Amino acid sequence: GEDVEQSLFLSVREGDSSVINCTYTDSSSTYLYWYKQEPGAGLQLLTYIFSNMDMKQDQRLTVLLNKKDKHLSLRIADTQTGDSAIYFCAESRLSNTGKLIFGQGTTLQVKP
Amino acid sequence: GAGVSQSPSNKVTEKGKDVELRCDPISGHTALYWYRQSLGQGLEFLIYFQGNSAPDKSGLPSDRFSAERTGGSVSTLTIQRTQQEDSAVYLCASSPKGLAGAITDTQYFGPGTRLTVL
Repeated sequence: GEDVEQSLFLSVREGDSSVINCTYTDSSSTYLYWYKQEPGAGLQLLTYIFSNMDMKQDQRLTVLLNKKDKHLSLRIADTQTGDSAIYFCAESRLSNTGKLIFGQGTTLQVKP
Repeated sequence: GAGVSQSPSNKVTEKGKDVELRCDPISGHTALYWYRQSLGQGLEFLIYFQGNSAPDKSGLPSDRFSAERTGGSVSTLTIQRTQQEDSAVYLCASSPKGLAGAITDTQYFGPGTRLTVL
């Protein structure tokens, strides 16, 4: 199927780490992406990982990919109030001409 | 411009009217996508343009929806005889080449047009 699934809500305290999880179903996924959407704004590309990698680190962001389990996660270290947003994972597949399949988004709430 | 731009940012219309939404992609990007973000449906792919190839219209929900891309740049999404269920945020994205399986597939999104159908 086409499903990409995420938990809908995560609440953390400022300074803690946040882990947002995503599962997907299609083994032909090539690139997997994390986008951030702040209120009233479009989607901002945060990071991506190629499907033959298992980890990518970019400053406070760490992406882990378990291809066997089709599980993707985004870890945000030292979470700040400015990180409060909706986070979408998305996959791109060889079988699709570039279109992205999105999860339903995880709302991250950061409490001071 | 520096990023993808869309206009208008907000559009309120009456049921049954036609609307046009505009997207200006990043200069030089050959691929352009339209998505719809609505409550309860998440982000749905609508249509994809790549260069001079025939567009992939597989995501358009009905024949009331159509899109054009003139001169390989600006795109217009048209919704005819709008219905209340068309209310959503319509997002446009562009990518350098639109090739699946390549990092040049990375899509950059505009701020969206919020459409409200009364």
